[in-house]
Amino acid sequence: ETGVTQTPRHLVMGMTNKKSLKCEQHLGHNAMYWYKQSAKKPLELMFVYNFKEQTENNSVPSRFSPECPNSSHLFLHLHTLQPEDSALYLCASSHTSSSEQYFGPGTRLTVT
Amino acid sequence: EDKVVQSPLSLVVHEGDTVTLNCSYEVTNFRSLLWYKQEKKAPTFLFMLTSSGIEKKSGRLSSILDKKELFSILNITATQTGDSAVYLCAVEEVGNQFYFGTGTSLTVIP
Repeated sequence: ETGVTQTPRHLVMGMTNKKSLKCEQHLGHNAMYWYKQSAKKPLELMFVYNFKEQTENNSVPSRFSPECPNSSHLFLHLHTLQPEDSALYLCASSHTSSSEQYFGPGTRLTVT
Repeated sequence: EDKVVQSPLSLVVHEGDTVTLNCSYEVTNFRSLLWYKQEKKAPTFLFMLTSSGIEKKSGRLSSILDKKELFSILNITATQTGDSAVYLCAVEEVGNQFYFGTGTSLTVIP
C-alpha cells in the first residue's frame, strides 16, 4: 500500500458519458499529478498541482478537466471521451521539494 | 523527439544473472533522474539521482548518473524471479515537468 488511493479501479464508459476519477493521498504531500499510460507508450504527464494550484497542463484536451479541492484530493472529470482515451490513468503525489513521486494503483479506463 | 530513451526494450535472463538497464535523456533544465519499478499497476520508487558519478545502492540494485553524457544505468545483480517487472526511467526538468521512457521489461526465469 503506497498511501495513494484511486477510485474506481476500472471504468467503462460510453463516449457521451460524464464520469470522474478520484485520487486521495495520505502522505502529507503538497503536489499531486495525473498521468496517462497507454500501451507501448511512455507515461504522459497531464496535470500538476502544487498547493492546490495548477502549475502544469501539458496540452491536454478540454474533455479532461482536473480539480484539486485540497492538497489531499485530486479529481479528473471526464466528458465526451474518445476511444483513444482508453488507458491506465495514474495519480501520484510528492513533496514539492522532492522529485520522488508515490503512485496510486491507477484507474483502467475503457471508452466504448 | 523522445526526451527519455530506455534500452533494451525487453530482456529475459535466468535467475542469478546480472543485468544492466540503460537510460539516455535530453532535457533543457535537468533537475533529477529517477528509476521506478512497475509490476502490476503502481510504479514504485527505486532511486533518485542528481549528481554525476555517485552510485546509489539498495541491496542488489544500484544506479549511477553521467550528466556529461546524459545517461544513467540501473544494475541488478543476482537476479531473482521477483525482479521481473517493467523498469521505468524518468527525468525531471525544473518546474515539475517529468518525462518518462517507455521502460525496459525484465523477465527473470528460474
